[in-house]
Amino acid sequence: EPEVTQTPSHQVTQMGQEVILRCVPISNHLYFYWYRQILGQKVEFLVSFYNNEISEKSEIFDDQFSVERPDGSNFTLKIRSTKLEDSAMYFCASSITSGGHGTDTQYFGPGTRLTVL
Amino acid sequence: DQQVKQNSPSLSVQEGRISILNCDYTNSMFDYFLWYKKYPAEGPTFLISISSIKDKNEDGRFTVFLNKSAKHLSLHIVPSQPGDSAVYFCAANTGTASKLTFGTGTRLQVTL
Repeated sequence: EPEVTQTPSHQVTQMGQEVILRCVPISNHLYFYWYRQILGQKVEFLVSFYNNEISEKSEIFDDQFSVERPDGSNFTLKIRSTKLEDSAMYFCASSITSGGHGTDTQYFGPGTRLTVL
Repeated sequence: DQQVKQNSPSLSVQEGRISILNCDYTNSMFDYFLWYKKYPAEGPTFLISISSIKDKNEDGRFTVFLNKSAKHLSLHIVPSQPGDSAVYFCAANTGTASKLTFGTGTRLQVTL
């Protein structure tokens, strides 16, 4: 069964460093998303991406964040200068969203645990 | 921002019995609702969804009920199995490919 994959599973970085989190969405999906979950809190939306453009972003997704689809399979989230409060689980998701029944379901990857020291 | 609320942080059910997880929402623009199951250190796993034009959707042991007038949905698991023990999240969105808004989750423990 196709699934969303993410690498690395755990990333430790120093405050102020840049990190890139990688995702491979399900191959025939058209929409891509990043969410995060700070320990003990709910899953929060960061950004959605379609047709090589950001389609929606939250207030969390400020100028230190960027997303890219560098090739036909990868989808990346870059945090330019990490802060302590960026420590969280980051989840990538994808959906077909072709208009048919159930195609708007977002399927999530296993997550990357980011620890900022 | 509490647009999606799961008021029960935990629930314990005996194996074989019915588990009922509840979710309330405040945003009347939500038109697609989903339930996800999550184990520690893993991503949310999609379970079942329902669109606002329906009031019930069933898939095997899982049934989701939607009461639009009460802005309430529930997930029924019957019969409950020990492998169902996990955190269950309710989520909703307002349109095609829009962001999901998640509840805070309910931890289900199915006991022998």
